[in-house]
Amino acid sequence: KNQVEQSPQSLIILEGKNCTLQCNYTVSPFSNLRWYKQDTGRGPVSLTIMTFSENTKSNGRYTATLDADTKQSSLHITASQLSDSASYICVVRFSGGYNKLIFGAGTRLAVHP
Amino acid sequence: SQTIHQWPATLVQPVGSPLSLECTVEGTSNPNLYWYRQAAGRGLQLLFYSVGIGQISSEVPQNLSASRPQDRQFILSSKKLLLSDSGFYLCAWSTGNKGYGYTFGSGTRLTVV
Repeated sequence: KNQVEQSPQSLIILEGKNCTLQCNYTVSPFSNLRWYKQDTGRGPVSLTIMTFSENTKSNGRYTATLDADTKQSSLHITASQLSDSASYICVVRFSGGYNKLIFGAGTRLAVHP
Repeated sequence: SQTIHQWPATLVQPVGSPLSLECTVEGTSNPNLYWYRQAAGRGLQLLFYSVGIGQISSEVPQNLSASRPQDRQFILSSKKLLLSDSGFYLCAWSTGNKGYGYTFGSGTRLTVV
């Protein structure tokens, strides 16, 4: 079964600290993996997208890594800011279907002052 | 530049009433259009997708229907809402098979009472 699992479910960190969010997937065949940031009550906004041949991709203070062999990805946030408080969603594109995206349930991050 | 508009932002409807959510895209032609639902603490679930005018594919059986009367307009409807239809509905668009331009609308929070 094609699934995307994220951990932790929720996370609280202090402003300025770093954190790493995890994503494990069982989607096959795999096309690409995306990380989205979703503010409460808003639509998700894309942070990074990686194909199976890419190991890392950065977007400002966000760095995503991908290990296609172990089917794991992580999102590292550096020097967190209060505005980083949001849900972070890992999404894997299943190349066996038309634009089929498999969504994780997300990690809810709260950055406290 | 491409933009996606979704409205209304919030909606409270009684059980048994009809529903119509609208989504329009600007700045692109022949986009792939999607309707997703997000339940609390769950990943996004694809409800419908459309690759062209009048072409609708349903991912899961439900009390909802979708229509695409124009190239850049996607409508989500129901004749009689159920309590279980409550949730956060997101419209999205992409171009091409790889779906790299996958962009979400701002969402509609539907509460059925």
